[in-house]
Amino acid sequence: QKEVEQNSGPLSVPEGAIASLNCTYSDRGSQSFFWYRQYSGKSPELIMSIYSNGDKEDGRFTAQLNKASQYVSLLIRDSQPSDSATYLCAVTDGTGGFKTIFGAGTRLFVKA
Amino acid sequence: ETGVTQSPTHLIKTRGQQVTLRCSSQSGHNTVSWYQQALGQGPQFIFQYYREEENGRGNFPPRFSGLQFPNYSSELNVNALELDDSALYLCASSLGAFSYEQYFGPGTRLTVT
Repeated sequence: QKEVEQNSGPLSVPEGAIASLNCTYSDRGSQSFFWYRQYSGKSPELIMSIYSNGDKEDGRFTAQLNKASQYVSLLIRDSQPSDSATYLCAVTDGTGGFKTIFGAGTRLFVKA
Repeated sequence: ETGVTQSPTHLIKTRGQQVTLRCSSQSGHNTVSWYQQALGQGPQFIFQYYREEENGRGNFPPRFSGLQFPNYSSELNVNALELDDSALYLCASSLGAFSYEQYFGPGTRLTVT
C-alpha cells in the first residue's frame, strides 16, 4: 500500500513566524509532488508543485524535495491568520500511472 | 476560482439507491479525475478520464463508474449506495493525462442515510 504520511497537527504558529509542514512518502518511484491548501468546508487548492530535488520558491511559499529521503516539505514565511487551513501533500504513483495519492493533511493555525 | 464546476452541491440519498454527480472541467482541460474525501481524511483517487476513456482507477468497487463526454465534462455514478459512501466527492481537471497539476471543483457533499 503506497502511502503519504503527514503529521495531523494542529500546528500552531504566531503571526509572522515561519510554518514548516512535512510529508514522507513510501513509493520511491514517485516523480511529482504537490502541496494543496484546503480551507474548512472548501475544496483543495493547488499552491505548489515540485518535480526535482531542492527548493522551489513562490512568494511566501517554499517547497523542498529530497527524493533520497522520500521527504517533501513546505515552508510558509511571514505566516498570516489567512494561512490557517489544512495542508495536503500529494504524490503521483511511481508506476507510471496517473493516480495521485494524498496525505491526510496537517492542520495549521496561525495566531494573530 | 478554478473554473471547474460540480453539481449538485449537496445530496441526500437512501442506502441502496443510485446517484449521479456531474463535473465540468476547466476550459482547455481534457482530463478529469474523481476523488472521495471522508471527513478528516485526504482525497482518495477513484478514477481518471482522458479523452472519454478511463485512464486509471483506484481501489473502489465496480459500483463506482464514470463517463466523460466529448466536451470533457464528466459524470460519476454510484450504484447500491452504502452508508460509508457518505463523503465529499471532488472532481479535478488537468491539462492532459501527463499533467499532474490538478484543479479542483467545489465538490458535492453526499449523505447516505
